[in-house]
Amino acid sequence: AQSVTQLDSHVSVSEGTPVLLRCNYSSSYSPSLFWYVQHPNKGLQLLLKYTSAATLVKGINGFEAEFKKSETSFHLTKPSAHMSDAAEYFCVVSGTYQKVTFGTGTKLQVIP
Amino acid sequence: SAVISQKPSRDICQRGTSLTIQCQVDSQVTMMFWYRQQPGQSLTLIATANQGSEATYESGFVIDKFPISRPNLTFSTLTVSNMSPEDSSIYLCSARGLQETQYFGPGTRLLVL
Repeated sequence: AQSVTQLDSHVSVSEGTPVLLRCNYSSSYSPSLFWYVQHPNKGLQLLLKYTSAATLVKGINGFEAEFKKSETSFHLTKPSAHMSDAAEYFCVVSGTYQKVTFGTGTKLQVIP
Repeated sequence: SAVISQKPSRDICQRGTSLTIQCQVDSQVTMMFWYRQQPGQSLTLIATANQGSEATYESGFVIDKFPISRPNLTFSTLTVSNMSPEDSSIYLCSARGLQETQYFGPGTRLLVL
């Protein structure tokens, strides 16, 4: 079985400060991991993905994530938050039989 | 990457009626899926749309309520049948290519009165 846990349902940061959105996963198969962003009333956009190449993955809009197998984590970071980053972020694992499992989402609020 | 379009983008329907949502992908993909996202919640997989055969449904979803077609590699439809207010949700089409990345359509926002 596989699962993904997003440790925070809401995160609030000030504009210009770092962003950390936490994600832990479990999978009996070597997983692929993804982060998606969903802006209000918009569809899901792929931010970045990890598929067993480099453990530090760079995505769009300055986001990056580090795959840590020993910690079963795939946390999403950004050095400096922008107002346009306010959205909901989903961590996703694709593992056994290519089955995809979504996390419950983290709402990011950026305070001016 | 794949670009996915859905029609309609939103609709308001009366209970007891049915709505068919269309999904078109701009490139050939290996797998297509339908998801539901209820207000304030994450995505739940409804079914995998199989080309030329019956869809594979997840637990809690049945063909009579959510019939799905996929006549070719790039097109699929989802019908929400005999709707009730509990079916009010966002329905998303998704597709996966050889690169394993899954792409999503913009969603269809359905309100059932």
